[in-house]
Amino acid sequence: EVQLVESGGGLVQPGGSLRLSCAASGFTFSSYWMHWVRQAPGKGLVWVSRINSDGSSTSYADSVKGRFTISRDNAKNTLYLQMNSLRAEDTAVYYCARAYDLDYWGQGTLVTVSS
Amino acid sequence: DIQMTQSPSAMSASVGDRVTITCRASQGISNYLAWFQQKPGKVPKRLIYAASSLQSGVPSRFSGSGSGTEFTLTISSLQPEDFATYYCLQHNSYLWTFGQGTKVEIK
Repeated sequence: EVQLVESGGGLVQPGGSLRLSCAASGFTFSSYWMHWVRQAPGKGLVWVSRINSDGSSTSYADSVKGRFTISRDNAKNTLYLQMNSLRAEDTAVYYCARAYDLDYWGQGTLVTVSS
Repeated sequence: DIQMTQSPSAMSASVGDRVTITCRASQGISNYLAWFQQKPGKVPKRLIYAASSLQSGVPSRFSGSGSGTEFTLTISSLQPEDFATYYCLQHNSYLWTFGQGTKVEIK
């Protein structure tokens, strides 16, 4: 069974940093592209970032470029999102999702940016 | 960047109605489009991939069509469990983009 479990969310002050993790199991993690998607309270889904299967290629939404970094450790079956210079508008549930067209999603982790 | 315009943003429908939701891409995306359903407080669930392929386990009343710039998600006979928000997602470029969502409510 495919499982994706996010962790690392919480309350952080504006300008602060946070690292999210997504632990994968039930499939060959190193064979799949992975994504982060976020959803602000009461709002729609927003694609944030993606990484290819070996970690050599990444891309980011304009709203997070230069502040967020996606990475992965295929030996640990784990995806990461390092978030720096956080802003109030980054407050959202962050989901990790598998594959080019996001076939499986984790349960999400809530990030709240507030003073 | 490719923009996805989804319509309508909300709609009211009755059980048994045929429902159609449209997504238009700002440039051609071949068939690199997926549809997702999200119920309140729940994780999005993929319904359709490659514009018209039904995800395993998804009821056959859901169907997708289109190619290029215009795509549709059709629910042939709306069921009580289908009241939710639906999103399209394009994955043709190096940046992925969701539509704004369509909330399907009970009339």
